[in-house]
Amino acid sequence: QVQLVQSGAEVKKPGASVKVSCKASGYTFSGYYMHWMRQAPGQGPEWMGWINPQSGGSSYAQKFQGRVTMTRDASISTGYMELSRLTSDDTAVYYCARAGDFWSGHFDYWGQGTLVTVSS
Amino acid sequence: QSVLTQPPSASGTPGQRVTISCSGSSSNIGSNTVNWYQQLPGTAPKLLIYRDNQRPSGIPDRFSGSKSGASASLAIRGLQSEDEADYYCAAWDDGLNGCVFGTGTKVTVL
Repeated sequence: QVQLVQSGAEVKKPGASVKVSCKASGYTFSGYYMHWMRQAPGQGPEWMGWINPQSGGSSYAQKFQGRVTMTRDASISTGYMELSRLTSDDTAVYYCARAGDFWSGHFDYWGQGTLVTVSS
Repeated sequence: QSVLTQPPSASGTPGQRVTISCSGSSSNIGSNTVNWYQQLPGTAPKLLIYRDNQRPSGIPDRFSGSKSGASASLAIRGLQSEDEADYYCAAWDDGLNGCVFGTGTKVTVL
């Protein structure tokens, strides 16, 4: 069965960076784009960007340009999302998700989420 | 910064029908398909409806989606206690070149 398993919770200080991993299993990793979303406390999901696991190509939401990097290691079916220059506004649960369609907002499987807390 | 607008809450008694609206624009719902997610407390969103009105395997037919112009709706027929959750619509936005989510609707079963 398809599974996306994310790394554990992180606590970071303002100005630091965080790198979240998402290990895929149960399907051909290179066959589906991986998207990343985040959800701040009491808010709805916010889309951050995508990575093409086959080519490594990526695209990010304007809001995160210059601060986010999405990468992958196809040999271990794992995607990564790194966010730099953290502030308290980045405190949120971060999710990876498999895209069911291209350019559609159709995410058929999600990771369990990784809580990132930014606090001094 | 949600681009898609939903009512903050909806409610009904067990067995009733509840509908949730999602209003967008020509750059998102008006030109792309709509997806709906259900989120139970403390869990990841779960795909409920994709491509406007398609249900993934395992989703009961009590849930249905529709779209007209730049608006979409999710209907829950035969409301059950386990349907109490937050619901979000989502669509691709051609102007932003990214996915946009709705503001979310909390469904309460009275």
